[in-house]
Amino acid sequence: AQKVTQAQTEISVVEKEDVTLDCVYETRDTTYYLFWYKQPPSGELVFLIRRNSFDEQNEISGRYSWNFQKSTSSFNFTITASQVVDSAVYFCALSEAEDDKIIFGKGTRLHILP
Amino acid sequence: KAGVTQTPRYLIKTRGQQVTLSCSPISGHRSVSWYQQTPGQGLQFLFEYFSETQRNKGNFPGRFSGRQFSNSRSEMNVSTLELGDSALYLCASSLNPGQGAREQYFGPGTRLTVT
Repeated sequence: AQKVTQAQTEISVVEKEDVTLDCVYETRDTTYYLFWYKQPPSGELVFLIRRNSFDEQNEISGRYSWNFQKSTSSFNFTITASQVVDSAVYFCALSEAEDDKIIFGKGTRLHILP
Repeated sequence: KAGVTQTPRYLIKTRGQQVTLSCSPISGHRSVSWYQQTPGQGLQFLFEYFSETQRNKGNFPGRFSGRQFSNSRSEMNVSTLELGDSALYLCASSLNPGQGAREQYFGPGTRLTVT
């Protein structure tokens, strides 16, 4: 069965600190996709990244970086030098090869304190 | 290019009533998916439509239904509303289905409150 677990319900850090959001997934498929979305207070889901199961290379985009480790079924997200605008709920998610259904984790609410 | 639009943005209904929500996908996108977001259950997949046909369905009761029109616009309907149906309903569109949610873009959502 598919499942995404985000163990951290809520995190608070002071601005400019680095913060890592954890994500652990379960799937029986060998081909799958992993996602991170950001949901600011406005409610709209903002796509951050999509990774396929065959690409374990870490990715960096500005202050954002992602660490995908198949051996531990984890896809963690790090924000470097956090800013107040990073405050939001972040969702990790999973979909399988032929499927457009996205399975979301429960989300991590991130507070960046000035 | 305009994004995914959803109407109305906010809605208040009474228990027992029915409601219809609308979603207009990004121009050229032919697949539309619907999700329900509640504080308790989080984000859950409702259904997906492509070529006016339901392609995939989540685990929701039959009170939840949807349809897609020839111009790819989609509507979802909830009949006999219950308090627990209060949620943010999100629509997502993608170019084509069956690509592992590739290039799937979400709309701003419709916030439904059932009293």
